[in-house]
This record gives sequence, C-alpha cells and structure tokens, in this order.
Amino acid sequence: AQTVTQSQPEMSVQEAETVTLSCTYDTSESDYYLFWYKQPPSRQMILVIRQEAYKQQNATENRFSVNFQKAAKSFSLKISDSQLGDAAMYFCAYRSMEGSQGNLIFGKGTKLSVKP
Amino acid sequence: KAGVTQTPRYLIKTRGQQVTLSCSPISGHRSVSWYQQTPGQGLQFLFEYFSETQRNKGNFPGRFSGRQFSNSRSEMNVSTLELGDSALYLCASRLPLETQYFGPGTRLLVL
Repeated sequence: AQTVTQSQPEMSVQEAETVTLSCTYDTSESDYYLFWYKQPPSRQMILVIRQEAYKQQNATENRFSVNFQKAAKSFSLKISDSQLGDAAMYFCAYRSMEGSQGNLIFGKGTKLSVKP
Repeated sequence: KAGVTQTPRYLIKTRGQQVTLSCSPISGHRSVSWYQQTPGQGLQFLFEYFSETQRNKGNFPGRFSGRQFSNSRSEMNVSTLELGDSALYLCASRLPLETQYFGPGTRLLVL
C-alpha cells in the first residue's frame, strides 16, 4: 500500500521569504501523480501544483515549484516570495495511475504560518 | 464553470440518527470521490463513483454508503451515527486521469 509522509507538522516563514515543505512517499508503482493541496481556514481544499511521475521536469506554478526526486521518493514544495495569504495547511497527496485507483492518499499536512 | 458544490454546509445530528450529504460535481465531470477529514485520522478516502458505479472504496464500515445519479450528482449516507463520525466530509470531482477539484465540504457534528 502507498503511504505519504509529511515530517513537518508546522512551519513558519517571514513574508517575502522562501520556504520549503517536505514530503516523502512510498510506492512500488512506476507511474503515478503527486499533488500539493492548500487548505486555508475556510477548509476549502485548493490545488497548488501537480506532478506526473513520468515527467522529469519539475512542475512550476507562479511562486510555487516542486523538487521531485523519483528515486528518493521525495516531493518537496517551494514557496517563493511568501505572502500572508499563503498561510494554510498544506497537504501532499499521491494518486495511482493504475486501473480504477483514482483516490488520493494524503499526508498528515504541514501548517504554514506567514509572519508579517 | 461552477465549482463543486456540497449541501448542506453544516449539520448537527444525534447518535443513532442517519444523515445524507449531497455533492454536485463540476459540469462534465463524471467521477466523484468522498473523503472524511478528522483531526485524529486526517484525510481518508471513503469511495469513488464513476457513471453511477462505485469504482473504489476505502476502509470504512458498511454504515457509510453512497450513490451517484445519472446527472453525476452524488450522495453519501451514514446510518446509525456515532460520535466519531463528526468530521468534515469533502467531495471532489474530476475528468478521467485529471486532477480532483474539491467542494467546500460539509461539517457534521454528532452529539
């Protein structure tokens, strides 16, 4: 069974600085998706970024980028130029590409605080 | 396009009662998944429906059930509610092989 681990329950960053959130996963599959979702206090789960395992290039979305290390099974999220609105819970998630396995497997989350 | 909508947003029930939650996916999305979020267990997958058929099910007791209608709207039902069923229930929809987009959730409190 696949597992996702986020080892940092809480992180803090100064506004305008850069922060990196860690995520490791375990799987025997070769093809899969990885995601970072953001959950602000409103509890709405918002997609931040997505990575397909077969793509060697790291995904980037504006101030958000990932460092995907397939061999190490590591998928970290870098937030540049942090803004107050980035404060939220961040969840790393895995999804298989196989058959009907469309469900997401989530890590426990990292609570990010942004200091003004 | 309108996003995923869930009703009701908040619900208070007592132990032993049953509850039905509703989810309307993004237009054109035929796959709907349900997740339970609690402080202790985190986010856990309940089930996924595609074209009215349950494709995948998480490790939850039979008190948790769901269905999907021909218009892709989905409902989940919890019978004989227990205190531990208090949670945020999230619904997500997607296109095949695409990203899941979440609704705002239904907060269920069981007293």
